[in-house]
Amino acid sequence: DQQVKQNSPSLSVQEGRISILNCDYTNSMFDYFLWYKKYPAEGPTFLISISSIKDKNEDGRFTVFLNKSAKHLSLHIVPSQPGDSAVYFCAASASYNTDKLIFGTGTRLQVFP
Amino acid sequence: ETGVTQTPRHLVMGMTNKKSLKCEQHLGHNAMYWYKQSAKKPLELMFVYNFKEQTENNSVPSRFSPECPNSSHLFLHLHTLQPEDSALYLCASSQATGASGNTIYFGEGSWLTVV
Repeated sequence: DQQVKQNSPSLSVQEGRISILNCDYTNSMFDYFLWYKKYPAEGPTFLISISSIKDKNEDGRFTVFLNKSAKHLSLHIVPSQPGDSAVYFCAASASYNTDKLIFGTGTRLQVFP
Repeated sequence: ETGVTQTPRHLVMGMTNKKSLKCEQHLGHNAMYWYKQSAKKPLELMFVYNFKEQTENNSVPSRFSPECPNSSHLFLHLHTLQPEDSALYLCASSQATGASGNTIYFGEGSWLTVV
């Protein structure tokens, strides 16, 4: 049973437009959420995180939104750039078990010119 | 110099071989992790070490044997693996476990192929 789900395996967006990547979770004890970006043949790199006490966190072109009632979070990239083309993983953890990050299966984003 | 370095980046081994994956972190962290990424599956946590002590073994078969001699180094010893163990093995580190808002930083991974 997957506790963190990324239901869209891929997303294609034109350069300059907004990319929206979605993530759903089932465990109501999760209170810390992260997004990682992964290029081929490299390890995931940390992108942005959000704690459950907030509903939005922004870092440059990247914004993460958290809807606790819907158990849903999303990553917005504005404007999208070709260099953003990568696989994006959503991850979640709970305060009682912070060393156990649960990952989604990832969404492959392709930004085309 | 990247924060978490893994060697080798690629490894091909036979089912009767014994090999090891090595990980070193230069971030001053106290927790280190092994993750496995198989095709079309989420990253799976294998082992967690906090201050050199193993705190998590996520039901990993004994043919995978971790070793953490100090907070900066982590090994994964491999023996009598199966072809289905072929995957990307990722090492990671974080400040420590048990802290709220724990961000984990990954190495570039070791691609393992078992033939």
